[in-house]
Amino acid sequence: NAGVTQTPKFQVLKTGQSMTLQCAQDMNHEYMSWYRQDPGMGLRLIHYSVGAGITDQGEVPNGYNVSRSTTEDFPLRLLSAAPSQTSVYFCASTQEVNNSPLHFGNGTRLTVT
Amino acid sequence: AQSVTQLGSHVSVSEGALVLLRCNYSSSVPPYLFWYVQYPNQGLQLLLKYTSAATLVKGINGFEAEFKKSETSFHLTKPSAHMSDAAEYFCAVSPRGGSQGNLIFGKGTKLSVKP
Repeated sequence: NAGVTQTPKFQVLKTGQSMTLQCAQDMNHEYMSWYRQDPGMGLRLIHYSVGAGITDQGEVPNGYNVSRSTTEDFPLRLLSAAPSQTSVYFCASTQEVNNSPLHFGNGTRLTVT
Repeated sequence: AQSVTQLGSHVSVSEGALVLLRCNYSSSVPPYLFWYVQYPNQGLQLLLKYTSAATLVKGINGFEAEFKKSETSFHLTKPSAHMSDAAEYFCAVSPRGGSQGNLIFGKGTKLSVKP
């Protein structure tokens, strides 16, 4: 089973550039989310989705957009990259977040110069 | 607002020694509680979870955690550390009755195991 697949694994952007981080899951999970991980900060929720067509903001949504057109895919868009967005990004999915574990991808390491 | 505090950003133990990683939550209603582990260059994986059944929860790799309502704590323990336990550990909470978007992570504790 592939689980949660994130691409790319590494990315370097210049300030002001845009890009999309891809996330796909093959477990038919309704709930998907994006976190960023920074040293000493733990994981902070950026955006999440409880099903196709439904998205909502997490703790740190500014500078990021998401959409959920299918159950499988949940891309994260950076519209105009800033050095403060240098981080490791994790996508996760679950069938029901309160009683089921989150399944994480292996992360995308993004550097913005 | 719900929050979770992990005491100690770094913990170092000798191989074979007791592992104790601390987690406290802030909530008047006991939330769902989780411990996740992250090995280098990987995503997080679930160690164990508390959902209001037994207060002592057993997880994978010999870890267990005890929910103590009076102390608002959910500390993670392992009787005997192994070199392979070296990783970063995250406590997380999800409030009961809250939306599905509210899994909140602590800042993590990095565990080192000395030979």
